[in-house]
Amino acid sequence: GQNIDQPTEMTATEGAIVQINCTYQTSGFNGLFWYQQHAGEAPTFLSYNVLDGLEEKGRFSSFLSRSKGYSYLLLKELQMKDSASYLCAVNPGRRALTFGSGTRLQVQP
Amino acid sequence: DGGITQSPKYLFRKEGQNVTLSCEQNLNHDAMYWYRQDPGQGLRLIYYSQIVNDFQKGDIAEGYSVSREKKESFPLTVTSAQKNPTAFYLCASSNRDLNTGELFFGEGSRLTVL
Repeated sequence: GQNIDQPTEMTATEGAIVQINCTYQTSGFNGLFWYQQHAGEAPTFLSYNVLDGLEEKGRFSSFLSRSKGYSYLLLKELQMKDSASYLCAVNPGRRALTFGSGTRLQVQP
Repeated sequence: DGGITQSPKYLFRKEGQNVTLSCEQNLNHDAMYWYRQDPGQGLRLIYYSQIVNDFQKGDIAEGYSVSREKKESFPLTVTSAQKNPTAFYLCASSNRDLNTGELFFGEGSRLTVL
């Protein structure tokens, strides 16, 4: 089976840094994705990791450790518009992504 | 502009009725997907298709049906056999090889059963 775990909710302050963790146990692994989803809208792609290490893209970075089944999304210089749900998804090798339940991030002034 | 179009955006139906959600893409993607999202939940895979005239069941296919007669189109029918159809439905597409590509999502269809 496939199991992807993320914290349900997180709160952070504008201008701060927040780390959203994701652990996974899947039957195969062909990459891990992070998506952002604002309430009532479609998810939008943030990052993709297939090899161990850190991928940086502006204020967003994503880390992967395949041996630990672990990833995190790091958001720097938080802005109010970053309040959203963040979805961790794994490609287990069957050519369709399996999603976690998402982490709802609230950024406070 | 290239993208994915879902319609209708909002849909109400009575119990016992079938309803079809439309999904069209002009990104020239081979693969298309249907996901369901319930309040406060992640996305669950209903069906996916890697190529025209072929599709595979996802994790929650019971009560749903699809067709893939054209590369651009992947309609989803929610049948009366689906016990709890009220949800947000998302269609997505990608290159066939997800190893290098990402999912592109439509804006979603919100179905409410009265």
